[in-house]
Amino acid sequence: DTEVTQTPKHLVMGMTNKKSLKCEQHMGHRAMYWYKQKAKKPPELMFVYSYEKLSINESVPSRFSPECPNSSLLNLHLHALQPEDSALYLCASSQGTGVDGYTFGSGTRLTVV
Amino acid sequence: AQSVSQHNHHVILSEAASLELGCNYSYGGTVNLFWYVQYPGQHLQLLLKYFSGDPLVKGIKGFEAEFIKSKFSFNLRKPSVQWSDTAEYFCAVRGSNYQLIWGAGTKLIIKP
Repeated sequence: DTEVTQTPKHLVMGMTNKKSLKCEQHMGHRAMYWYKQKAKKPPELMFVYSYEKLSINESVPSRFSPECPNSSLLNLHLHALQPEDSALYLCASSQGTGVDGYTFGSGTRLTVV
Repeated sequence: AQSVSQHNHHVILSEAASLELGCNYSYGGTVNLFWYVQYPGQHLQLLLKYFSGDPLVKGIKGFEAEFIKSKFSFNLRKPSVQWSDTAEYFCAVRGSNYQLIWGAGTKLIIKP
């Protein structure tokens, strides 16, 4: 299995809702990432988990809360988002620190209304 | 500061034309370089990567890239493009501590 699977593919939520994005990989990768991508822009790193521990938080607002329940799963909990948070949220994984590249999921298209 | 520069934001070519997309990086350490492609509505896919060794790297779908250390460049090439190559192309360098430093991307449109 050489894929990173993200669910849901599309999500529309109100500014008072709580929702979660899920990411799963079974490649044995020990680093997992959340990225945010706006249209026609490169991805922006949000969080990095290494060996299930939060390694990097790129000054992301607390309305985004990551969680890594085990080495195969990564969640992103969303609460009280703003319309400007609407974007494509990408999960990625890598073996080690990414020397061999990063495998990306197909993303969750999030719309905040 | 580490950075990646992609010179062409939009490129329009006819089918069978040759392609070269420019990428320059600024990074003082050991470089790991990548080209990713994002087809319309799809996820990022790794086209090719450079870590060490032969500076001419061959990737998927007939793409190749040449690492020229003296020019801090990692240009992407394809001898003959197809309509299906229409996509956004991103160059990236692996920075410190797991991070990928991305170029702004080049939107490639192939006219049938």
